[in-house]
Amino acid sequence: AQTVTQSQPEMSVQEAETVTLSCTYDTSESDYYLFWYKQPPSRQMILVIRQEAYKQQNATENRFSVNFQKAAKSFSLKISDSQLGDAAMYFCAYRRVGSSYKLIFGSGTRLLVRP
Amino acid sequence: DTGVSQDPRHKITKRGQNVTFRCDPISEHNRLYWYRQTLGQGPEFLTYFQNEAQLEKSRLLSDRFSAERPKGSFSTLEIQRTEQGDSAMYLCASSFRWQGSTPPASEQFFGPGTRLTVL
Repeated sequence: AQTVTQSQPEMSVQEAETVTLSCTYDTSESDYYLFWYKQPPSRQMILVIRQEAYKQQNATENRFSVNFQKAAKSFSLKISDSQLGDAAMYFCAYRRVGSSYKLIFGSGTRLLVRP
Repeated sequence: DTGVSQDPRHKITKRGQNVTFRCDPISEHNRLYWYRQTLGQGPEFLTYFQNEAQLEKSRLLSDRFSAERPKGSFSTLEIQRTEQGDSAMYLCASSFRWQGSTPPASEQFFGPGTRLTVL
């Protein structure tokens, strides 16, 4: 069975600085998708960034980028120029390619942004 | 607002009562998912529909839980004989099924959730 592990329950970053959130996963599949979702307090979950495992290039979305290390099964999220609005729970998620479309989530990392 | 909506947002019930939640997906989305999220944890998959067909159910979905998606539009999740362990946030998400041999990683759009408290 696939699993997703986020070993940092909470991280703190100074506004305008850079922070990296860690995620590791376990799978025997060779093709899959990885996602980072953001869940602000009392608000719905939104997609931050996605990565297809067959793509070697790391995905970037404005201030958000990932470091995808397929052999190491590692998928970290880097947030540059952190803003107060980045404060939220961040969840790493895995999805197989094929018949099962369910997302498998990690336990989340709470990001605090200090002004 | 054309996002995923869920009703009610909060539900407080007594143990043993039945509860029903509703999810309205984004209108053109043909896939709909239910997840459960307990405090301090990530969401856990419960079940998903493609159009009106329920294609996968988690082992978490005991026989007290039933989900439907009549006519492939909105969905309902019913919990019978609620237990205190059912207290959680119930999230609904929807996505669009891409055609073709190599679909992109279609995004699941989440609703705001229904927070269930069982006393």
